[in-house]
Amino acid sequence: QKEVEQNSGPLSVPEGAIASLNCTYSDRGSQSFFWYRQYSGKSPELIMSIYSNGDKEDGRFTAQLNKASQYVSLLIRDSQPSDSATYLCAVNVDTGFQKLVFGTGTRLLVSP
Amino acid sequence: ETGVTQSPTHLIKTRGQQVTLRCSSQSGHNTVSWYQQALGQGPQFIFQYYREEENGRGNFPPRFSGLQFPNYSSELNVNALELDDSALYLCASSPDQNQPQHFGDGTRLSIL
Repeated sequence: QKEVEQNSGPLSVPEGAIASLNCTYSDRGSQSFFWYRQYSGKSPELIMSIYSNGDKEDGRFTAQLNKASQYVSLLIRDSQPSDSATYLCAVNVDTGFQKLVFGTGTRLLVSP
Repeated sequence: ETGVTQSPTHLIKTRGQQVTLRCSSQSGHNTVSWYQQALGQGPQFIFQYYREEENGRGNFPPRFSGLQFPNYSSELNVNALELDDSALYLCASSPDQNQPQHFGDGTRLSIL
């Protein structure tokens, strides 16, 4: 069973702080990794994709990938109350077709 | 806007009935995947279609079936509905299997 693990939270941070979200995965053959944001009652929204080891920055978001440790993280700088949502880590497992395996998500709460 | 639209937004059915959910992707998005998201869980992969052929399937029984049409629309059909089929059903599309998937707003299915 190819798994993706996330801490369910909630992760509470004050406005302006850095939020750090973590994810581990079991399939060593995985090549692409994604972070989706999901507001309550809404569908997942893609915020970051990362394919190679290291950091990838996009605005206030930084994704970090360490394939040797099978670890993906998302940093949100200058957190805003509007960032309060569930963040889903998704891994495209090595099946020959595009199959995303999701974690259960980490709920982030940013307090004003 | 992801360019992926789903209908209907909400649906109520009873056990044993059949349901068809619909998805319309952007022109040129040859890959469409369907996911089931139960409350408090991450989305679970049902199956994927590429150029109108099913090319991957998750751990869902045969009563879950689908179609993809040349006009970039697709359907998810579920027969013999069970109470556990109550969930948010998500359609996701991408131009090809190496591009990130973007989700529609989902159809919330309730089984009574």
